[in-house]
Amino acid sequence: AQTVTQSQPEMSVQEAETVTLSCTYDTSESDYYLFWYKQPPSRQMILVIRQEAYKQQNATENRFSVNFQKAAKSFSLKISDSQLGDAAMYFCAYRSASGNFNKFYFGSGTKLNVKP
Amino acid sequence: DAGVTQSPTHLIKTRGQQVTLRCSPKSGHDTVSWYQQALGQGPQFIFQYYEEEERQRGNFPDRFSGHQFPNYSSELNVNALLLGDSALYLCASSLPTGTGVGGYTFGSGTRLTVV
Repeated sequence: AQTVTQSQPEMSVQEAETVTLSCTYDTSESDYYLFWYKQPPSRQMILVIRQEAYKQQNATENRFSVNFQKAAKSFSLKISDSQLGDAAMYFCAYRSASGNFNKFYFGSGTKLNVKP
Repeated sequence: DAGVTQSPTHLIKTRGQQVTLRCSPKSGHDTVSWYQQALGQGPQFIFQYYEEEERQRGNFPDRFSGHQFPNYSSELNVNALLLGDSALYLCASSLPTGTGVGGYTFGSGTRLTVV
């Protein structure tokens, strides 16, 4: 079974600084997707960034970028120029890319605090 | 906004009671998944519905059941509630492959408290 591990329960960053959230996963599959989701107090899971395992190039979305190390099964999220609105729970998630009806496996989350 | 709508937003029930949670998927989506998120944890997959059938199920007891209607909306039912069922219940809609424009869309959840 696939597992996702986030070893940092809580992190803090100064506004305008850079922070990196860590995630490792375990799978025997070769074709899969990895995601970072943000969950603010409004509770809705918001997609931050997505990485296809077959792509070697790391995904970027504005201030958000990932460091995807397939062999090490590591998938970290870097947030540059942190903003107060970035404060939230961040979840790393895995989903198989083979077949249909695939479910997400989520990590336990990292609470990000942004200090003004 | 044609996102995922869940109702109610909050609910308090007594142990042993039964509860029904509702979800309307995003426009254009026909697959609905349910997740349970206990306090301080990541969401865990309960089950997924497509064409009014349960396609996949996570490690949850039979007390958890669901239904999908012809308009793609879905219900999650929990019988004989336990204190441990207290959680945020998230609904997510998608196409069967979960890819393409829009991917997965999550609702804001129903916060269930069992007392």
